[in-house]
Amino acid sequence: QSALTQPRSVSGSPGQSVTISCAGTSGDFDGYKYVSWYQQHPGKAPKVLIYEVSKRPSGVPDRFSGSKSGNTASLTISGLQAEDEADYYCCSSAGSYTNWVFGGGTKLTVL
Amino acid sequence: DVQLVESGGGLVKPGESLRLSCAASGFTFTNAWMSWVRQAPGKGLEWVGRFNSKTDGGTTDYAAPVKDRFTISRDASKNTLYLQMSSLKTEDTAVYYCTWEIWGSFQYWGQGTLVTVSS
Repeated sequence: QSALTQPRSVSGSPGQSVTISCAGTSGDFDGYKYVSWYQQHPGKAPKVLIYEVSKRPSGVPDRFSGSKSGNTASLTISGLQAEDEADYYCCSSAGSYTNWVFGGGTKLTVL
Repeated sequence: DVQLVESGGGLVKPGESLRLSCAASGFTFTNAWMSWVRQAPGKGLEWVGRFNSKTDGGTTDYAAPVKDRFTISRDASKNTLYLQMSSLKTEDTAVYYCTWEIWGSFQYWGQGTLVTVSS
Protein backbone atom coordinates (compact mmCIF):
# COMPACT_ATOMS: atom_id res chain seq x y z
CA GLN A 1 0.00 0.00 0.00
CA SER A 2 1.37 3.39 -1.00
CA ALA A 3 2.00 6.12 1.55
CA LEU A 4 0.68 9.66 1.47
CA THR A 5 3.13 12.33 2.62
CA GLN A 6 2.01 15.52 4.33
CA PRO A 7 4.10 18.28 5.91
CA ARG A 8 4.23 17.80 9.67
CA SER A 9 3.23 21.39 10.34
CA VAL A 10 2.12 24.60 8.67
CA SER A 11 1.24 27.97 10.12
CA GLY A 12 -0.42 31.21 9.14
CA SER A 13 -1.84 34.38 10.59
CA PRO A 14 -5.55 35.13 10.85
CA GLY A 15 -6.96 36.16 7.50
CA GLN A 16 -4.17 34.54 5.51
CA SER A 17 -4.35 31.44 3.33
CA VAL A 18 -2.47 28.20 3.82
CA THR A 19 -2.15 25.12 1.64
CA ILE A 20 -1.50 21.62 2.92
CA SER A 21 -0.08 19.17 0.43
CA CYS A 22 -0.59 15.43 0.24
CA ALA A 23 1.94 13.70 -1.97
CA GLY A 24 1.42 10.21 -3.25
CA THR A 25 3.56 7.92 -5.32
CA SER A 26 3.32 7.82 -9.06
CA GLY A 27 -0.19 7.07 -10.18
CA ASP A 28 -1.87 7.44 -6.80
CA PHE A 29 -4.10 10.25 -7.87
CA ASP A 30 -4.12 9.88 -11.64
CA GLY A 31 -7.72 9.90 -12.79
CA TYR A 32 -8.82 8.90 -9.32
CA LYS A 33 -11.52 10.91 -7.64
CA TYR A 34 -11.56 9.55 -4.12
CA VAL A 35 -9.38 11.98 -2.20
CA SER A 36 -10.75 13.31 1.07
CA TRP A 37 -9.58 15.63 3.82
CA TYR A 38 -10.34 15.60 7.55
CA GLN A 39 -10.00 18.10 10.37
CA GLN A 40 -9.41 16.92 13.92
CA HIS A 41 -9.37 19.06 17.03
CA PRO A 42 -7.65 17.69 20.16
CA GLY A 43 -9.71 15.03 21.87
CA LYS A 44 -12.39 15.05 19.18
CA ALA A 45 -13.36 12.73 16.36
CA PRO A 46 -12.23 13.74 12.88
CA LYS A 47 -14.62 15.66 10.63
CA VAL A 48 -14.74 15.46 6.86
CA LEU A 49 -13.95 18.73 5.08
CA ILE A 50 -13.50 17.63 1.48
CA TYR A 51 -14.49 14.50 -0.45
CA GLU A 52 -14.05 13.45 -4.07
CA VAL A 53 -11.03 15.79 -4.33
CA SER A 54 -12.92 19.08 -4.17
CA LYS A 55 -16.48 18.64 -2.88
CA ARG A 56 -17.58 20.07 0.45
CA PRO A 57 -20.24 18.50 2.66
CA SER A 58 -23.03 20.81 3.68
CA GLY A 59 -22.02 22.95 6.62
CA VAL A 60 -18.34 23.14 5.70
CA PRO A 61 -17.40 26.76 4.94
CA ASP A 62 -16.25 27.58 1.42
CA ARG A 63 -12.99 28.80 2.95
CA PHE A 64 -11.94 25.17 2.63
CA SER A 65 -11.13 23.93 -0.86
CA GLY A 66 -9.46 20.88 -2.34
CA SER A 67 -7.64 20.12 -5.55
CA LYS A 68 -5.18 17.69 -7.08
CA SER A 69 -2.51 17.84 -9.71
CA GLY A 70 -0.34 14.96 -10.78
CA ASN A 71 0.82 13.07 -7.70
CA THR A 72 -0.24 15.72 -5.21
CA ALA A 73 -3.54 16.63 -3.64
CA SER A 74 -3.96 19.89 -1.76
CA LEU A 75 -6.20 21.46 0.85
CA THR A 76 -6.34 25.24 0.89
CA ILE A 77 -7.77 27.17 3.81
CA SER A 78 -8.41 30.82 3.09
CA GLY A 79 -9.27 33.56 5.56
CA LEU A 80 -7.65 31.65 8.44
CA GLN A 81 -9.49 31.75 11.73
CA ALA A 82 -8.35 30.80 15.20
CA GLU A 83 -10.70 27.81 15.24
CA ASP A 84 -8.94 26.36 12.19
CA GLU A 85 -6.03 25.40 14.42
CA ALA A 86 -6.20 21.61 14.31
CA ASP A 87 -4.69 18.52 12.71
CA TYR A 88 -5.52 17.81 9.08
CA TYR A 89 -5.38 14.46 7.28
CA CYS A 90 -5.67 13.49 3.65
CA CYS A 91 -6.96 10.10 2.60
CA SER A 92 -7.05 8.18 -0.62
CA SER A 93 -6.58 4.76 -2.11
CA ALA A 94 -4.24 3.36 -4.69
CA GLY A 95 -7.04 3.23 -7.21
CA SER A 96 -8.57 -0.08 -6.23
CA TYR A 97 -11.17 1.41 -3.90
CA THR A 98 -10.68 -1.43 -1.49
CA ASN A 99 -8.10 -0.20 1.00
CA TRP A 100 -7.75 3.33 2.24
CA VAL A 101 -4.58 5.06 3.38
CA PHE A 102 -4.25 8.27 5.38
CA GLY A 103 -1.48 10.79 5.22
CA GLY A 104 0.57 11.27 8.37
CA GLY A 105 -1.28 14.44 9.32
CA THR A 106 -0.42 18.14 9.40
CA LYS A 107 -0.67 20.36 12.43
CA LEU A 108 -1.95 23.81 11.54
CA THR A 109 -1.00 26.61 13.88
CA VAL A 110 -2.81 29.94 13.62
CA LEU A 111 -0.32 32.55 14.81
CA ASP B 1 -29.78 12.57 12.84
CA VAL B 2 -27.04 10.06 12.13
CA GLN B 3 -25.52 8.60 15.27
CA LEU B 4 -22.68 6.13 15.66
CA VAL B 5 -21.92 5.02 19.21
CA GLU B 6 -18.96 2.75 19.89
CA SER B 7 -18.54 0.61 22.99
CA GLY B 8 -16.50 -2.29 24.25
CA GLY B 9 -13.08 -0.73 24.64
CA GLY B 10 -10.87 -1.44 27.62
CA LEU B 11 -7.59 -2.82 28.89
CA VAL B 12 -6.48 -6.24 27.69
CA LYS B 13 -3.23 -8.19 27.71
CA PRO B 14 -1.21 -9.04 24.61
CA GLY B 15 -2.59 -12.11 22.90
CA GLU B 16 -6.10 -11.61 24.24
CA SER B 17 -9.27 -10.83 22.33
CA LEU B 18 -11.82 -8.02 22.47
CA ARG B 19 -15.01 -7.17 20.60
CA LEU B 20 -16.04 -3.61 19.85
CA SER B 21 -19.58 -2.62 18.95
CA CYS B 22 -20.95 0.33 17.02
CA ALA B 23 -24.64 1.11 17.37
CA ALA B 24 -25.93 2.98 14.32
CA SER B 25 -29.07 5.05 13.93
CA GLY B 26 -30.55 7.68 11.66
CA PHE B 27 -29.83 5.95 8.34
CA THR B 28 -30.44 2.70 6.46
CA PHE B 29 -27.76 0.56 8.01
CA THR B 30 -28.05 -2.42 5.66
CA ASN B 31 -27.24 -0.27 2.64
CA ALA B 32 -24.26 1.40 4.25
CA TRP B 33 -20.55 0.82 3.79
CA MET B 34 -19.11 0.90 7.31
CA SER B 35 -15.45 1.19 8.27
CA TRP B 36 -13.34 1.14 11.40
CA VAL B 37 -10.55 3.70 11.69
CA ARG B 38 -8.10 3.81 14.58
CA GLN B 39 -5.70 6.31 16.07
CA ALA B 40 -2.83 5.33 18.34
CA PRO B 41 -2.08 7.81 21.14
CA GLY B 42 -0.42 10.89 19.69
CA LYS B 43 -0.38 9.38 16.21
CA GLY B 44 -2.30 9.72 12.96
CA LEU B 45 -5.35 8.00 11.57
CA GLU B 46 -5.20 4.46 10.24
CA TRP B 47 -7.93 2.66 8.32
CA VAL B 48 -8.61 -0.76 9.84
CA GLY B 49 -11.22 -2.34 7.63
CA ARG B 50 -14.67 -2.23 6.07
CA PHE B 51 -17.94 -4.09 5.80
CA ASN B 52 -19.66 -3.08 2.61
CA SER B 53 -23.38 -3.01 1.99
CA LYS B 54 -25.59 -6.04 1.59
CA THR B 55 -26.41 -4.94 -1.96
CA ASP B 56 -22.67 -4.92 -2.71
CA GLY B 57 -22.22 -8.43 -1.44
CA GLY B 58 -21.69 -7.78 2.26
CA THR B 59 -17.97 -8.44 1.93
CA THR B 60 -15.10 -7.22 4.04
CA ASP B 61 -11.69 -5.68 3.41
CA TYR B 62 -8.87 -5.24 5.92
CA ALA B 63 -5.65 -3.31 6.27
CA ALA B 64 -2.52 -5.43 6.19
CA PRO B 65 -1.57 -4.97 9.89
CA VAL B 66 -4.86 -6.48 11.09
CA LYS B 67 -5.73 -8.95 8.34
CA ASP B 68 -6.23 -12.45 9.73
CA ARG B 69 -6.51 -11.11 13.30
CA PHE B 70 -9.52 -8.78 13.09
CA THR B 71 -12.99 -9.59 11.81
CA ILE B 72 -15.72 -7.11 10.98
CA SER B 73 -19.33 -8.23 11.06
CA ARG B 74 -22.75 -6.74 11.51
CA ASP B 75 -26.14 -7.56 12.89
CA ALA B 76 -28.72 -5.80 10.70
CA SER B 77 -31.51 -6.59 13.15
CA LYS B 78 -29.69 -4.58 15.81
CA ASN B 79 -28.21 -1.93 13.49
CA THR B 80 -24.86 -2.79 15.02
CA LEU B 81 -21.39 -3.16 13.53
CA TYR B 82 -18.75 -5.24 15.31
CA LEU B 83 -14.99 -5.43 15.31
CA GLN B 84 -13.71 -8.71 16.72
CA MET B 85 -10.05 -8.35 17.57
CA SER B 86 -7.89 -11.35 18.41
CA SER B 87 -4.20 -11.95 19.08
CA LEU B 88 -3.97 -8.35 20.18
CA LYS B 89 -0.59 -6.65 20.18
CA THR B 90 0.65 -3.60 22.05
CA GLU B 91 0.69 -1.73 18.75
CA ASP B 92 -3.09 -2.20 18.48
CA THR B 93 -3.49 0.29 21.34
CA ALA B 94 -5.62 3.08 19.91
CA VAL B 95 -8.92 4.87 19.88
CA TYR B 96 -11.17 2.97 17.49
CA TYR B 97 -13.72 4.94 15.49
CA CYS B 98 -16.72 3.57 13.66
CA THR B 99 -17.43 5.45 10.43
CA TRP B 100 -20.01 5.54 7.65
CA GLU B 101 -18.38 5.60 4.23
CA ILE B 102 -20.16 7.63 1.58
CA TRP B 103 -18.77 8.90 -1.73
CA GLY B 104 -15.38 7.39 -1.00
CA SER B 105 -14.95 9.23 2.27
CA PHE B 106 -15.72 8.90 5.98
CA GLN B 107 -18.68 11.21 6.28
CA TYR B 108 -19.84 10.29 9.77
CA TRP B 109 -17.80 9.28 12.81
CA GLY B 110 -18.57 7.96 16.24
CA GLN B 111 -16.93 9.38 19.34
CA GLY B 112 -14.44 6.51 19.52
CA THR B 113 -13.60 3.86 22.11
CA LEU B 114 -10.15 3.35 23.61
CA VAL B 115 -8.45 -0.03 23.45
CA THR B 116 -5.30 -0.46 25.51
CA VAL B 117 -3.16 -3.56 25.04
CA SER B 118 -0.65 -3.87 27.83
CA SER B 119 0.76 -6.51 30.13
